[in-house]
Amino acid sequence: QIQLVQSGPEVKKPGESVKISCKASGYTFTQAGMQWLKQAQGKSLKWMGWINTNTGKTTYAADFTGRFVFSLETSASTAYLQITNLKNEDMATYFCARAAFAYWGQGTLVTVSS
Amino acid sequence: DIQMTQSPSSMSASLGDRVTITCQASQDIGNNLIWFQQKPGKSPRPMIYYATNLANGVPSRFSGSRSGSDYSLTISSLESEDMADYHCLQYKQYPRTFGGGTKLELK
Repeated sequence: QIQLVQSGPEVKKPGESVKISCKASGYTFTQAGMQWLKQAQGKSLKWMGWINTNTGKTTYAADFTGRFVFSLETSASTAYLQITNLKNEDMATYFCARAAFAYWGQGTLVTVSS
Repeated sequence: DIQMTQSPSSMSASLGDRVTITCQASQDIGNNLIWFQQKPGKSPRPMIYYATNLANGVPSRFSGSRSGSDYSLTISSLESEDMADYHCLQYKQYPRTFGGGTKLELK
């Protein structure tokens, strides 16, 4: 069965970086793009962008350019989201979701606190 | 960007009630809309694809409809397990955009 398993919760200080992983199984990794989404506590979802798992081409939503990087380790069927220079407003749960939104990771909570 | 205006933001209803949640799109999105259910601490679960198509395993009391730029999710007879947040998402254009969400609670 198709599964997306994300890395565990992170606690970081402002200015630090975090890298979240999303390991896919149950299908051929390169056959479906991977999307990233943000959900702050008590808020709705925000689409951050997606990465083409075949070519590595990335597309970022306007609010997620500069400090946000999507990457791949295709041999490990894993997608990554890295956030640099963390700010308080980055504190949220981050989800990966396979193209068409049928399959989601369990979410990774990133806490930013000094 | 396409704006999705979702209403109501919260509502309370009784078991057995008919419940309708609506999203209005600021531009034409055709039927490129998904409804999600999200329970606390869980990932969103797709309920309705392409505005009107029930996702696999979703109970038949859920349905989706469209009237022009207005999209609705209806629960015909509310059950306790339906208490959750509901989100709409348009996937006609980048960036994909969500409605503001609806919190459905038991009266």
